Amino acid sequence: AQTVTQSQPEMSVQEAETVTLSCTYDTSESNYYLFWYKQPPSRQMILVIRQEAYKQQNATENRFSVNFQKAAKSFSLKISDSQLGDTAMYFCAFIVSGSARQLTFGSGTQLTVLP
Amino acid sequence: KAGVTQTPRYLIKTRGQQVTLSCSPISGHRSVSWYQQTPGQGLQFLFEYFSETQRNKGNFPGRFSGRQFSNSRSEMNVSTLELGDSALYLCASSETGPSYNEQFFGPGTRLTVL
Repeated sequence: AQTVTQSQPEMSVQEAETVTLSCTYDTSESNYYLFWYKQPPSRQMILVIRQEAYKQQNATENRFSVNFQKAAKSFSLKISDSQLGDTAMYFCAFIVSGSARQLTFGSGTQLTVLP
Repeated sequence: KAGVTQTPRYLIKTRGQQVTLSCSPISGHRSVSWYQQTPGQGLQFLFEYFSETQRNKGNFPGRFSGRQFSNSRSEMNVSTLELGDSALYLCASSETGPSYNEQFFGPGTRLTVL
């Protein structure tokens, strides 16, 4: 069974600053994907960034980047130049490659960007 | 393309009743997954449907069931509702390639059981 752990229930950051959200996971699988999803107050789950486990290079999407440490089973999200619209709950999620579409989520980190 | 749609958006039921929620996936997506989100348990996988067949099921009692139609639309049903079934129910659709697993979520149905 896979587990995903987010140890920071809440975080805050000043607008325009950088913040890093932590995530660790546990699995015996070798082929998998990792994701960060954002859930704003509207409750719409939005994909922020994904990482394929077989890729060494860390994924980047504009102001969002990850630090993927496969051996340590760590997958942190860095948000640069934080904006008020980044305020949301952030979920780290894991899925095994293959036919199943079962995401395993962490408990979430509530990020508040302060003006 | 239109996104994933879920109906209704809000629902209030009483204990013992049953409820049916609907999810229409993104056009061309044949896999639909359902998740339950509660403050206490977080996001939990309910089940996944592909080509009208349940392909995977989470650890939920038999009161939770679902189905998928030939147009890939999916419904989930909860019978004999309990207070603990109050939750946001999210569905997600995805393509069915061998390795591409991105799931696109709908806005959710907020179920309140009184």
